[in-house]
Amino acid sequence: AQSVAQPEDQVNVAEGNPLTVKCTYSVSGNPYLFWYVQYPNRGLQFLLKYITGDNLVKGSYGFEAEFNKSQTSFHLKKPSALVSDSALYFCAVRDSYQAGTALIFGKGTTLSVSS
Amino acid sequence: DGGITQSPKYLFRKEGQNVTLSCEQNLNHDAMYWYRQDPGQGLRLIYYSQIVNDFQKGDIAEGYSVSREKKESFPLTVTSAQKNPTAFYLCASTRGLNEQFFGPGTRLTVL
Repeated sequence: AQSVAQPEDQVNVAEGNPLTVKCTYSVSGNPYLFWYVQYPNRGLQFLLKYITGDNLVKGSYGFEAEFNKSQTSFHLKKPSALVSDSALYFCAVRDSYQAGTALIFGKGTTLSVSS
Repeated sequence: DGGITQSPKYLFRKEGQNVTLSCEQNLNHDAMYWYRQDPGQGLRLIYYSQIVNDFQKGDIAEGYSVSREKKESFPLTVTSAQKNPTAFYLCASTRGLNEQFFGPGTRLTVL
């Protein structure tokens, strides 16, 4: 069965410091991996995805994520955090053989960036 | 939130009442989804539909019903059988294996 784990409920960083939000996954086939961000009382906004190709994926707002097949991980990163990055972040996965089926989401990680 | 609208933004339900949440998309996406979000539990799948006139139960379908009569529309009814419906409801759509696009959500509260 597919699953996603986000081991940290909350990540705290100071503005200007690098940030990492962790995600590990489990699928039976090749994974399609996604990161989303959610601000309070809003829908989810797509940040980036890994389908195939380069293991380092670049996305919106300066975020990037690194796909590591051996560790089954897809950690979200940003070189320099902004206070405005404070939000709830979700990692999601879909098995590549199941087009149209729903993404499976992790429980989310709250990122808090202090000034 | 582009391309997917949800209404109303806030909804209040009395005990024993059925309510319907609207979801419309103009992205020409084939597949649509309903998720429920509770604090600390992430997103849980209620129902999804890959084509018109067809839908499948997700992980927490009990107490909910859906229809997919048009490609653009996927309404969710929260029935009186759902004993704890207070939550944030999110609708999404996609084409193929691409990312899902989400609507702005409906917050349902039981009075």
